[in-house]
Amino acid sequence: GQQVMQIPQYQHVQEGEDFTTYCNSSTTLSNIQWYKQRPGGHPVFLIQLVKSGEVKKQKRLTFQFGEAKKNSSLHITATQTTDVGTYFCADQKTSYDKVIFGPGTSLSVIP
Amino acid sequence: DAGVTQSPTHLIKTRGQQVTLRCSPKSGHDTVSWYQQALGQGPQFIFQYYEEEERQRGNFPDRFSGHQFPNYSSELNVNALLLGDSALYLCASSLLVAIRGYTFGSGTRLTVV
Repeated sequence: GQQVMQIPQYQHVQEGEDFTTYCNSSTTLSNIQWYKQRPGGHPVFLIQLVKSGEVKKQKRLTFQFGEAKKNSSLHITATQTTDVGTYFCADQKTSYDKVIFGPGTSLSVIP
Repeated sequence: DAGVTQSPTHLIKTRGQQVTLRCSPKSGHDTVSWYQQALGQGPQFIFQYYEEEERQRGNFPDRFSGHQFPNYSSELNVNALLLGDSALYLCASSLLVAIRGYTFGSGTRLTVV
């Protein structure tokens, strides 16, 4: 079945350092979505990427979809303590399909 | 504009018991999906409801069942609870015809003892 993988599983960074998490699949991804889940919270939708090579920015967050649509990345510049949480990538083939989540990358920021 | 609401927030049940979790979707959404999230893992798809019917189902046993009502709200029922059913159960709502990401509720934390 379809599987979405993420690396690293955990990342500890000093406040102000950059952070990147990678999402990979052996099959072509359709619509990559990124979610953030704060400790004790629920997943919150951040963004969706659809086109090959697409790059989107949200303030300090940069999201990228690979040219072959088999990988995606989320990069955070100059992390802050408010960035703490688990970041999930997820794939959804069409609006009629379920969203399949990766295992997530847990980010800790040391002040 | 209310988001997704789930009840109860926490629940403790004994092995073998049955549980019902409830979800009201975001206003304007017509589709409800249920996910199980074990500690430290990503959400696992249980099933999805649209127009009061189960459209898709993940790899969960028949002990997990659901329902959607005419007002789009939904219930998740789990029978014969096992210790391994302890998890955060998340309800997500969306619009079937549009990919705009899911809106999740705060979840129900189920503990089976």
